[in-house]
Amino acid sequence: AQKITQTQPGMFVQEKEAVTLDCTYDTSDQSYGLFWYKQPSSGEMIFLIYQGSYDEQNATEGRYSLNFQKARKSANLVISASQLGDSAMYFCAMRELNDMRFGAGTRLTVKP
Amino acid sequence: SAVISQKPSRDICQRGTSLTIQCQVDSQVTMMFWYRQQPGQSLTLIATANQGSEATYESGFVIDKFPISRPNLTFSTLTVSNMSPEDSSIYLCSVPDQGDSYNEQFFGPGTRLTVL
Repeated sequence: AQKITQTQPGMFVQEKEAVTLDCTYDTSDQSYGLFWYKQPSSGEMIFLIYQGSYDEQNATEGRYSLNFQKARKSANLVISASQLGDSAMYFCAMRELNDMRFGAGTRLTVKP
Repeated sequence: SAVISQKPSRDICQRGTSLTIQCQVDSQVTMMFWYRQQPGQSLTLIATANQGSEATYESGFVIDKFPISRPNLTFSTLTVSNMSPEDSSIYLCSVPDQGDSYNEQFFGPGTRLTVL
């Protein structure tokens, strides 16, 4: 069974600094996808970044990068140059075949 | 990317009643997923809805409580039956990208349900 672990219930970061949100996963499958979503207080789920299990390069999307360490089964999200608008819940998720499972989430607060 | 709409966006219901949530996608997709997000919690998969077949429910969710319809490739409904306050949650539908590949999955704006 899939298991996604986010060990940081809450994180604080100073505006313009970088922050890393941790995510580890457990799977016996060789083929899977890892995702990060942002959920602001409005409740919408905003897709940020994707990493395939066979991708050798770490994924990047603008200020977001995914630090993928396959042997350690970790997929940490790095947000560079934090902005006040980055304050939100962040969920790590893994998809095997058809369904996607989520971690418990990390609440990020960006301080001015 | 897929654009997903949900109706209603929110509702307040009395216990014992039922609510049907609609999910409309702007493109044809094979699979649609329904999730529940209880207050302060993460998302939990309720079921996978494929057009032309019965929905597949996750452990802890049953068809009698959460019947799902999938009449075509762009639409699905989730009914929350015989509601209790514990059903107060955000309900979200979700679809993979148009190619049904792995690298994106989109979510509707959610339906905020409060059961009194």
